[in-house]
Amino acid sequence: AQKITQTQPGMFVQEKEAVTLDCTYDTSDQSYGLFWYKQPSSGEMIFLIYQGSYDEQNATEGRYSLNFQKARKSANLVISASQLGDSAMYFCAMRDAAGGSYIPTFGRGTSLIVHP
Amino acid sequence: DTEVTQTPKHLVMGMTNKKSLKCEQHMGHRAMYWYKQKAKKPPELMFVYSYEKLSINESVPSRFSPECPNSSLLNLHLHALQPEDSALYLCASSRGSSSSYNEQFFGPGTRLTVL
Repeated sequence: AQKITQTQPGMFVQEKEAVTLDCTYDTSDQSYGLFWYKQPSSGEMIFLIYQGSYDEQNATEGRYSLNFQKARKSANLVISASQLGDSAMYFCAMRDAAGGSYIPTFGRGTSLIVHP
Repeated sequence: DTEVTQTPKHLVMGMTNKKSLKCEQHMGHRAMYWYKQKAKKPPELMFVYSYEKLSINESVPSRFSPECPNSSLLNLHLHALQPEDSALYLCASSRGSSSSYNEQFFGPGTRLTVL
């Protein structure tokens, strides 16, 4: 079973508008971490934001915020005021103690295109 | 310094060649990772080193041989690769590998083509 599900293969947004990228996860652990990474066409994976399972507040980092709904097991990324440079692949990832190790699990990714 | 560096950026090799990919970080991280990524796919974990010891090998073929000479360096030795091994190879590091909160920092990757 997929541990991380990103249901949007591609998303389009107008410059300066906000966009939400969906991520749902599956774990039976109480302690886990959720991460979002951005991968431009150059290839480098850039860490954007982290949410811990015990964090009561939604994480924010500049224009990025994470809409964490624990009961629904969702961790959506919200990008406010989109910029052309936000066009990239976005991966949601989770670390939990599955099998005694904390191997990061990545979703399939969402390709975001920002239009001028 | 929050940078992970990788060399070379691009590599073309024949199936009989031996080559090495290199990765370096100076953040004091004690966990380092190799990933393989095909186009439009998520990265696939290959190896994890924790405190310079190989802790995870995700059933990677023996033609890929990792090495961690010290806490800052990670190598991936390549020998007798197949064309299907062509991919982007990403190195990453994190403070540790045995917790849920350690974010990974990735290098720019090596684009490998096997002819």
